[in-house]
Amino acid sequence: GAGVSQSPSNKVTEKGKDVELRCDPISGHTALYWYRQSLGQGLEFLIYFQGNSAPDKSGLPSDRFSAERTGGSVSTLTIQRTQQEDSAVYLCASSLVDQPQHFGDGTRLSIL
Amino acid sequence: AQKVTQAQTEISVVEKEDVTLDCVYETRDTTYYLFWYKQPPSGELVFLIRRNSFDEQNEISGRYSWNFQKSTSSFNFTITASQVVDSAVYFCALSEPPSWGKLQFGAGTQVVVTP
Repeated sequence: GAGVSQSPSNKVTEKGKDVELRCDPISGHTALYWYRQSLGQGLEFLIYFQGNSAPDKSGLPSDRFSAERTGGSVSTLTIQRTQQEDSAVYLCASSLVDQPQHFGDGTRLSIL
Repeated sequence: AQKVTQAQTEISVVEKEDVTLDCVYETRDTTYYLFWYKQPPSGELVFLIRRNSFDEQNEISGRYSWNFQKSTSSFNFTITASQVVDSAVYFCALSEPPSWGKLQFGAGTQVVVTP
């Protein structure tokens, strides 16, 4: 079946603009996760959603970052007032309950 | 503090050589999970294995094998008879309570296999 789908695959924007990144999880997966990968910081956890429980937001680096998951499926990660240090690859993953996470190809975000 | 340490930044081998990747983790919990993921040049993270803290049996899957030792907090990964297609970055990761969904990754080890 289809894997985790992320869009866009690449995004270039100017500093100060808002961006939205989208993730479509594997069908039937109840958990969804966001990570980012940058040269300086490696792979960092951002947030995860598990069913109807409150999301674990402990990895969000600032209040400029937010995420929502509508209808228990698609998720959007929003970064407001982007800064150059937000440049990274943003990775989404999904899983069944208590099962390993499967990752998408990521969105490469470049802030000019 | 870094919870997962992969001390080897890059390992270069010639095809058919064996490669062992080191992973040392730190946790105060008795129940936890350890993982290995592969990231080829295409960029997608590919799940390889998950091991829970109560299962110290070593595992072999084809040319891959894993050695989990709680006494030394290590979860090492060996590729036997390496192939060019094994060239990738390999990440070790830990998940622990209460945030089971939060994978804490090591810095990764770049494996370069040349013909």
